[in-house]
Amino acid sequence: LAKTTQPISMDSYEGQEVNITCSHNNIATNDYITWYQQFPSQGPRFIIQGYKTKVTNEVASLFIPADRKSSTLSLPRVSLSDTAVYYCLVGDRDDKIIFGKGTRLHILP
Amino acid sequence: DSGVTQTPKHLITATGQRVTLRCSPRSGDLSVYWYQQSLDQGLQFLIQYYNGEERAKGNILERFSAQQFPDLHSELNLSSLELGDSALYFCASSATSGSMNEQFFGPGTRLTVL
Repeated sequence: LAKTTQPISMDSYEGQEVNITCSHNNIATNDYITWYQQFPSQGPRFIIQGYKTKVTNEVASLFIPADRKSSTLSLPRVSLSDTAVYYCLVGDRDDKIIFGKGTRLHILP
Repeated sequence: DSGVTQTPKHLITATGQRVTLRCSPRSGDLSVYWYQQSLDQGLQFLIQYYNGEERAKGNILERFSAQQFPDLHSELNLSSLELGDSALYFCASSATSGSMNEQFFGPGTRLTVL
């Protein structure tokens, strides 16, 4: 299971684009990259998953460079309600899931 | 609303006691996962069941056990409770056995051990 490293916390302002980068230097060929969002006292919520290049959905974009040793979750035009913990997970379909400590994103008005 | 339900929402009990947490997965999902989240440990994977069978084990203590029933609901049993077991316990479900596939989390059960 690939180890991930992401910033402990980040601050941004409403209306800005926020990019959270996750490092996963020992990612394996069959590994996918998945991001979850968790609000206080709620269960995590799946945001996006990708394998390579770029994935976009209605909530976020995920950028994965060719070497796949890192990935960046991009949240466009954040609002106060995007204040949450964001987890980066890396593994193949059958790996045990490890959430780690995540990145605490704080959006300021 | 994720479609995953957990009961009870809150549970307060004393050290040494035993409790049972219940989880109903989303309709059609065959996998159920249990997680423990405390302030100092973050979100810890405990155990996964797939279609009634244990699929994967994480950091689950021997005092804890779980099962998944034929109707696919699951129960997590916590016994000989200690103060350190106070935490939020989440259940999640997914359609398949692969844990990296999208998991849908329930609202959690907050356990307080006094």
